[in-house]
Amino acid sequence: NAGVTQTPKFRVLKTGQSMTLLCAQDMNHEYMYWYRQDPGMGLRLIHYSVGEGTTAKGEVPDGYNVSRLKKQNFLLGLESAAPSQTSVYFCASSPDRTSYEQYFGPGTRLTVT
Amino acid sequence: QKEVEQDPGPLSVPEGAIVSLNCTYSNSAFQYFMWYRQYSRKGPELLMYTYSSGNKEDGRFTAQVDKSSKYISLFIRDSQPSDSATYLCATGTTDSWGKLQFGAGTQVVVTP
Repeated sequence: NAGVTQTPKFRVLKTGQSMTLLCAQDMNHEYMYWYRQDPGMGLRLIHYSVGEGTTAKGEVPDGYNVSRLKKQNFLLGLESAAPSQTSVYFCASSPDRTSYEQYFGPGTRLTVT
Repeated sequence: QKEVEQDPGPLSVPEGAIVSLNCTYSNSAFQYFMWYRQYSRKGPELLMYTYSSGNKEDGRFTAQVDKSSKYISLFIRDSQPSDSATYLCATGTTDSWGKLQFGAGTQVVVTP
């Protein structure tokens, strides 16, 4: 039981490049979330999904797109990376809307130069 | 202004001391309150959870919520070097689709 895994762990992009971050969970959770964590800002919600085939915007969605084609996977895309998107990205999942506990992945460190 | 405010620290204490952490929040609709612990270069993990006002104790950890003053606290007794981590408070409501509001996190360093 791996929990929540994220791929890749590290990435360096040049401004304007695109990339996709993959999150996978093996707990059969309905809800999945993408956060970014920046110094002094805490965790900020980018997008989330309440089930397979659904996505919704969070607090800071601009510049990102997401897809949830399979229940166990949640993809975060950057179409044209900007230096302001340099951050640590965390994926999380929870069983349903009533669950107070979110299970986090190990994070992806992204640097955009 | 963020809905949840938390002093980023760092907070340095000697081993065996009591660690006191706190957050304030602005939205009176928040119903449940959590503390997550995050070790360096790891993802956060749930440490404590409380619903509404009151205290909750789990071993060396005590979480307090005072909804009248919108204040959340975490106390760590007999602190150990292994408690060195960043502690994030988080709040939510039952109708927010599981979305949580996180504080910025307080870095705690327990020195031997």
